[in-house]
Amino acid sequence: GNSVTQMEGPVTLSEEAFLTINCTYTATGYPSLFWYVQYPGEGLQLLLKATKADDKGSNKGFEATYRKETTSFHLEKGSVQVSDSAVYFCALSEGGAQKLVFGQGTRLTINP
Amino acid sequence: GAVVSQHPSWVICKSGTSVKIECRSLDFQATTMFWYRQFPKQSLMLMATSNEGSKATYEQGVEKDKFLINHASLTLSTLTVTSAHPEDSSFYICSAPVRGSGRNEQFFGPGTRLTVL
Repeated sequence: GNSVTQMEGPVTLSEEAFLTINCTYTATGYPSLFWYVQYPGEGLQLLLKATKADDKGSNKGFEATYRKETTSFHLEKGSVQVSDSAVYFCALSEGGAQKLVFGQGTRLTINP
Repeated sequence: GAVVSQHPSWVICKSGTSVKIECRSLDFQATTMFWYRQFPKQSLMLMATSNEGSKATYEQGVEKDKFLINHASLTLSTLTVTSAHPEDSSFYICSAPVRGSGRNEQFFGPGTRLTVL
């Protein structure tokens, strides 16, 4: 079946550091890939997405590229801020059903 | 934007009682909603797909009689945890998709924390 594996956390960085959170997936077909973010006390929000190979999703300075050859969708940001502290989830969906399969989540803490 | 609300945000109940959790799409209609369960420091696990006007579709391993889902209108789905036990304590999250006008995205509720004593 489909699955998503994320870099284990927690991850702690200093402000303005470079961020990478690894995500790899297993799927039978050609899934759409997503990064969701969950800020403390809030629901999940879509951060970015990519629907086909080589697509790059980007939002709020975050980027991720759909790499079919390595089945990866790593999340990157060049300079993190304290306000980026949250839990990040990589996810995939296949077909039109929109059912999401999530990775285990990575808790990110940014220190000033 | 599209907003999904959940009620209550947290609930504590005694073992053996039933608890109902509501999921509402506030500014859009949703023929389909999804219910997830999230254990502490773990990922979200899809429990079931709620279908307006028809039966819910449950994922493998999820007890239908334990987790009753009703999707009576285009803006409301309910999850009832029947005869709750401590192992049912978890964070329950719903989501609803928005499609059309170039959008194809899911919106999540803030979640409901259930504690069964």
